[in-house]
Amino acid sequence: AQSVTQLGSHVSVSEGALVLLRCNYSSSVPPYLFWYVQYPNQGLQLLLKYTTGATLVKGINGFEAEFKKSETSFHLTKPSAHMSDAAEYFCAVSDGNQGGKLIFGQGTELSVKP
Amino acid sequence: GAVVSQHPSWVICKSGTSVKIECRSLDFQATTMFWYRQFPKQSLMLMATSNEGSKATYEQGVEKDKFLINHASLTLSTLTVTSAHPEDSSFYICSARDRGGMNTEAFFGQGTRLTVV
Repeated sequence: AQSVTQLGSHVSVSEGALVLLRCNYSSSVPPYLFWYVQYPNQGLQLLLKYTTGATLVKGINGFEAEFKKSETSFHLTKPSAHMSDAAEYFCAVSDGNQGGKLIFGQGTELSVKP
Repeated sequence: GAVVSQHPSWVICKSGTSVKIECRSLDFQATTMFWYRQFPKQSLMLMATSNEGSKATYEQGVEKDKFLINHASLTLSTLTVTSAHPEDSSFYICSARDRGGMNTEAFFGQGTRLTVV
């Protein structure tokens, strides 16, 4: 069975500071990994994904994540936080053998202070 | 990117009535759609996988007779909450995968806020 753990239900940073949202996964097969952002009362928007190939993945809005197999991690980073980054972030794993359904982490709420 | 439209975006219904939520892929064909439920300040929980032309696959603990899913075409899946009760109040989100492959992005609808009074 697959699972995702996001460390920290809430992260607060100052505007311009580094953003680091942690995600660890468990999977018995090579995983496909995703980061999504959710604004209040809205659906999810894909930030970036890792399937195969380069382990450092760049996404939208300046976010990037690195797949580290040895650490079973897929942490999300952004060098400089912007006020508009305040939202809920979800890490998810997909196992193609299971038909592609996504298993989500618990979510991390990011607050950005001026 | 591809667009998934969910309707309605919010609905209030009386206890005991049924509510239908539609999920449409507007510019691509989706052989598979997923239905999720999200409680306030919590993560998304997969309810069921909807496959065009066949019965939905429900996750453990999800009542299939209460949450009826129909995927009649490659662009439309519906979730009907039957005999809704206040505990069914939640945010329901659908997603759809382009029929192109398993590792393609899942596009999400904007969600439906259901309140049962």
